[in-house]
Amino acid sequence: DAGVIQSPRHEVTEMGQEVTLRCKPISGHNSLFWYRQTMMRGLELLIYFNNNVPIDDSGMPEDRFSAKMPNASFSTLKIQPSEPRDSAVYFCASSPTGLQGSEKLFFGSGTQLSVL
Amino acid sequence: QKEVEQDPGPLSVPEGAIVSLNCTYSNSAFQYFMWYRQYSRKGPELLMYTYSSGNKEDGRFTAQVDKSSKYISLFIRDSQPSDSATYLCAMRRGKLIFGQGTELSVKP
Repeated sequence: DAGVIQSPRHEVTEMGQEVTLRCKPISGHNSLFWYRQTMMRGLELLIYFNNNVPIDDSGMPEDRFSAKMPNASFSTLKIQPSEPRDSAVYFCASSPTGLQGSEKLFFGSGTQLSVL
Repeated sequence: QKEVEQDPGPLSVPEGAIVSLNCTYSNSAFQYFMWYRQYSRKGPELLMYTYSSGNKEDGRFTAQVDKSSKYISLFIRDSQPSDSATYLCAMRRGKLIFGQGTELSVKP
């Protein structure tokens, strides 16, 4: 298995532009997570899906952020309009169910986003 | 106050040293405790997990949980340059909450 695949690896954009990050989870995994990592705040959970349904989006910072999971093999995280403070590394992760205590998350390599 | 507190370091040690990494937490609802390792420009990977108070050993790594003090530790014996990475503690109360991560550098 290729693991969790994220694209693009790097994204540089200007303030006000729309940014779309993409994720393909591991086949057969039922849960998908979007995290954001910064030096100041560490790794923060933005939203997670179970069986393609958003379960908890309380970490989404504001209405400029939206996430979709149209099918079991694809998810997007969109920022519109983007701002410099959105600059961070965005990780997608998947797990078989996402709800079991000791179950581990499988992370992608992340998207480094820079908003100028 | 954050639910999970972790000193971001950086921590630099010579090869062969014993490394101690720690996290404290405030919510008694946390049940499962994990350590993830993150190499530069990569996503985190699960290193170890524990459930109950006490120690769990895996090779050179030992995870320790003290629920009464709300304190967890990861010990690395005979540290190697390949252990240089950021170590994140993580705890589950339904969803997984991560500490900020401690950057470790093991010098040859």
